[in-house]
Amino acid sequence: EDKVVQSPLSLVVHEGDTVTLNCSYEVTNFRSLLWYKQEKKAPTFLFMLTSSGIEKKSGRLSSILDKKELFSILNITATQTGDSAIYLCAHTGNQFYFGTGTSLTVIP
Amino acid sequence: GAVVSQHPSRVICKSGTSVKIECRSLDFQATTMFWYRQFPKQSLMLMATSNEGSKATYEQGVEKDKFLINHASLTLSTLTVTSAHPEDSSFYICSAIRAGGELYQPQHFGDGTRLSIL
Repeated sequence: EDKVVQSPLSLVVHEGDTVTLNCSYEVTNFRSLLWYKQEKKAPTFLFMLTSSGIEKKSGRLSSILDKKELFSILNITATQTGDSAIYLCAHTGNQFYFGTGTSLTVIP
Repeated sequence: GAVVSQHPSRVICKSGTSVKIECRSLDFQATTMFWYRQFPKQSLMLMATSNEGSKATYEQGVEKDKFLINHASLTLSTLTVTSAHPEDSSFYICSAIRAGGELYQPQHFGDGTRLSIL
């Protein structure tokens, strides 16, 4: 059965800290793994990963995929209060599957 | 960029009312749209996949007669919550994939509809 599990479920850090969010998945027909950030409304797209070992980077955020271990991480360095959000990962196999989400709170 | 508009953003109504939520792709055509439900501090739960011109595919446990989906054009899908009850109160979000785009491409999300049934 396809599934996506994220950890931790929630995280509270201080501004300036670095955080690593985890996403493990099981899928019968892997196509891509996606990361989204959700604040109050719609999730906004962060990264799409299709190949192992290639880091994708956007400012202080980066992500990488390990297709052998069925695992992806999202790193945020020098966190800011504006990074507070729910971070969702999703894989696309035969369908879209969203993970459980990680709720990140960054306190000043 | 791709924009998906969802309307209304907020609905408060009495138990027994039917509520229609619209999802429009504003600057692209979408053969496939998705409807999700989200409870507070939880992830998105896929309810159904809506394909233009055909019947929606519902996820296990989602009542087809309760949540009616119509995808009549390449830019519009609607979700109607029929005879809504307090347990249907939730945040409903739609998303769309560009026509011709593969399923594994990123979805574009609407801003969601917060439904409160009294």
